[in-house]
Amino acid sequence: AQTVTQSQPEMSVQEAETVTLSCTYDTSESDYYLFWYKQPPSRQMILVIRQEAYKQQNATENRFSVNFQKAAKSFSLKISDSQLGDAAMYFCAYRSARTDKLIFGTGTRLQVFP
Amino acid sequence: DSGVTQTPKHLITATGQRVTLRCSPRSGDLSVYWYQQSLDQGLQFLIQYYNGEERAKGNILERFSAQQFPDLHSELNLSSLELGDSALYFCASSVDEGSGPKNIQYFGAGTRLSVL
Repeated sequence: AQTVTQSQPEMSVQEAETVTLSCTYDTSESDYYLFWYKQPPSRQMILVIRQEAYKQQNATENRFSVNFQKAAKSFSLKISDSQLGDAAMYFCAYRSARTDKLIFGTGTRLQVFP
Repeated sequence: DSGVTQTPKHLITATGQRVTLRCSPRSGDLSVYWYQQSLDQGLQFLIQYYNGEERAKGNILERFSAQQFPDLHSELNLSSLELGDSALYFCASSVDEGSGPKNIQYFGAGTRLSVL
């Protein structure tokens, strides 16, 4: 069975600085997708970024980028120029190419200090 | 706003009772997913419906059931409620172009269920 591990329960960053959130996963499959979702205090789950495992190029969405290391089964999220609005829980998620269900990690709470 | 609507936002009920959570997917989305977020279990997939048919089942208890109606809205029914059922229940929807890269799940704001 696939698992997703987020080893950092909490992280903090100063406004305008850069922070990296870690995620590792375990799978025997070669075709899958990885996601980062953000959950602010409003509880809404918001898609931040996604990565297809067959793509070597790391995904980027504005200030958010990932470092995808397929061999190491690692999928970290880098937030550049952190803003107060980035404060939230961040969940890493895995989806097999064969199914539609998302498997989530336990989340990392990010605090942003002015 | 994701376009996925969940009602009600909050639900408080007693043990042994039955409740129904409702979800309206984004316009054009055929798949609906239900997830449970609790302190001890984290975010867990419960069940998926595609165009009215059950497609996948996760860790859903037998006391829980779901269905998707012809207008594509979905309901999650929770019965014989226990204290441990208190959680945030999310609905997500996707256009479901197979299980490919375009099959992105968009989440509603959730229904917080408190069982007292």
